[in-house]
Amino acid sequence: QQQVKQSPQSLIVQKGGISIINCAYENTAFDYFPWYQQFPGKGPALLIAIRPDVSKKKEGRFTISFNKSAKQFSLHIMDSQPGDSATYFCAATPRGSNYKLTFGKGTLLTVNP
Amino acid sequence: NAGVTQTPKFRILKIGQSMTLQCTQDMNHNYMYWYRQDPGMGLKLIYYSVGAGITDKGEVPNGYNVSRSTTEDFPLRLELAAPSQTSVYFCASSYRPPGTGGAYNEQFFGPGTRLTVL
Repeated sequence: QQQVKQSPQSLIVQKGGISIINCAYENTAFDYFPWYQQFPGKGPALLIAIRPDVSKKKEGRFTISFNKSAKQFSLHIMDSQPGDSATYFCAATPRGSNYKLTFGKGTLLTVNP
Repeated sequence: NAGVTQTPKFRILKIGQSMTLQCTQDMNHNYMYWYRQDPGMGLKLIYYSVGAGITDKGEVPNGYNVSRSTTEDFPLRLELAAPSQTSVYFCASSYRPPGTGGAYNEQFFGPGTRLTVL
């Protein structure tokens, strides 16, 4: 049973465009939702994260939108750049065990110049 | 700070061989983790440790063992390698202060070990 479903698997965007990656979860015990960015040959690194008591969080060109009732959250990358080309993972952690990350399967983003 | 370091970077094993993947962190983090990453499958937690001497199973522990004798080191042992263990393995660490049950603690990942079992 996949607890965090991520789509699309891959995404190609032109430079300057908006990249949107979606995730959905089933476990209502999840209460923290980080996004990780991974470049080829490197380990994942935390990009941005949100708690369900807010509906949106923005850090620079990266925004998380959160819909608690629908159990969905998404990452928006504004003005996408070739340097944003990477694999993006959404994740979730449960209340009380907030060090246990459950990852989505990842989205390979390619931003063409 | 070097952060989280892993050795080796690459390894090829034959079926039935054993090996230990090394992981060291110099950030004085109390929590450490091992994940495996398979193509198109995300990362899955193998084992984790909340402090020296304490380890627990994650989602996919079968075929692996861990130990945590020091704060810095968290080796992962494969006893009888199988082709299904071909994967990229990531070690991670985080710091969780006492009494912060509600706070999320960022995990810092190492560069990974690519293991092939033939």
